[in-house]
Amino acid sequence: EAGVTQFPSHSVIEKGQTVTLRCDPISGHDNLYWYRRVMGKEIKFLLHFVKESKQDESGMPNNRFLAERTGGTYSTLKVQPAELEDSGVYFCASSQDATALAKNIQYFGAGTRLSVL
Amino acid sequence: GEDVEQSLFLSVREGDSSVINCTYTDSSSTYLYWYKQEPGAGLQLLTYIFSNMDMKQDQRLTVLLNKKDKHLSLRIADTQTGDSAIYFCAERDTGKLIFGQGTTLQVKP
Repeated sequence: EAGVTQFPSHSVIEKGQTVTLRCDPISGHDNLYWYRRVMGKEIKFLLHFVKESKQDESGMPNNRFLAERTGGTYSTLKVQPAELEDSGVYFCASSQDATALAKNIQYFGAGTRLSVL
Repeated sequence: GEDVEQSLFLSVREGDSSVINCTYTDSSSTYLYWYKQEPGAGLQLLTYIFSNMDMKQDQRLTVLLNKKDKHLSLRIADTQTGDSAIYFCAERDTGKLIFGQGTTLQVKP
């Protein structure tokens, strides 16, 4: 069974440009998450989809970030326009069951390293 | 808000035990997790513990949870060079995970 896949693995763009990151979750996982790790700091939550709906987007930094999950399968995270502080590693994760007492085991992709110059 | 703290670096000799510590703030967390990240790879779940447990053992890994002090530790017995990685502890907050900064474990031969 394929794990969580992310594309691209690395993206280098200039400030002001647009970048779109893609995440394919494990098949059958309704829950999809985006996280970000900036320069050796903690991994921070960005948002959580349940199927195609945004369950929690409290971690999205600002309106330059747009996440979509049309059809409830893969998800994209677009940054437009990119700023220097957006550099970091963007991780996607998926889980089967995120209800209150479930283990909510989240499986992570390898991440997309975004460098904004 | 919720906060998870870890020491940043640990160095041990091959064959020794490693203990990675973590403190968290949300006493209502139901599950706590340990993830491992090897260079160039994603986060791999190592183990997790339910909040009503004090200890969980899984082969070379032992997780200890002190709910009163909100302290979580991961002990790796007989540490090998292949254990060199970054280890993240995380607590569950509704659906999302709150991570610490990660502890880099260096294993010297």
